[in-house]
Amino acid sequence: NAGVTQTPKFRVLKTGQSMTLLCAQDMNHEYMYWYRQDPGMGLRLIHYSVGEGTTAKGEVPDGYNVSRLKKQNFLLGLESAAPSQTSVYFCASSYIGGVQETQYFGPGTRLLVL
Amino acid sequence: EDQVTQSPEALRLQEGESSSLNCSYTVSGLRGLFWYRQDPGKGPEFLFTLYSAGEEKEKERLKATLTKKESFLHITAPKPEDSATYLCAVPYGGATNKLIFGTGTLLAVQP
Repeated sequence: NAGVTQTPKFRVLKTGQSMTLLCAQDMNHEYMYWYRQDPGMGLRLIHYSVGEGTTAKGEVPDGYNVSRLKKQNFLLGLESAAPSQTSVYFCASSYIGGVQETQYFGPGTRLLVL
Repeated sequence: EDQVTQSPEALRLQEGESSSLNCSYTVSGLRGLFWYRQDPGKGPEFLFTLYSAGEEKEKERLKATLTKKESFLHITAPKPEDSATYLCAVPYGGATNKLIFGTGTLLAVQP
């Protein structure tokens, strides 16, 4: 089991460029999440999905879009990158519903926007 | 407003010197409290989930406890390999799957 994997590990973008971050999980989890982590801010939820074909906004969704076309994949898109989107992005996944949920995290993608 | 606050921000211990990390929260209707460990350059790794006041869970040198307003992560006789950032999180907004995280405690254990 690879668990949660993220591609790429590191990326440098210029302001205005676009990119897609890929998250894949092999645990057959229904729920998937995208977070960003910034110094002094903690992890903040960007978007999440409760199943294939569904997405919902989290705490800081502006400037990002997501898609969940397959159960095992969750894509995070930046249409026009801004320096404020420089961050470390983490994907996570969890079993369906209930208080027993535990979120399992990927290794992260480090994004620098110049 | 739902909020999670961790203290101290950083803690330096000598090997074998026990201590505690604090996580205080203000959420309506606690649906669990999660502790994670994060090593530099890696994603958070799950440690514990606590669901009700008075609950305790242990894993090696770590013990997590929960009251109605806060949780403690007790570290007994720590070793250098326990050095990491420890994060706590609680579900918010009436959901069980959306988490709000604290900013973490950076623990350094010196040999």
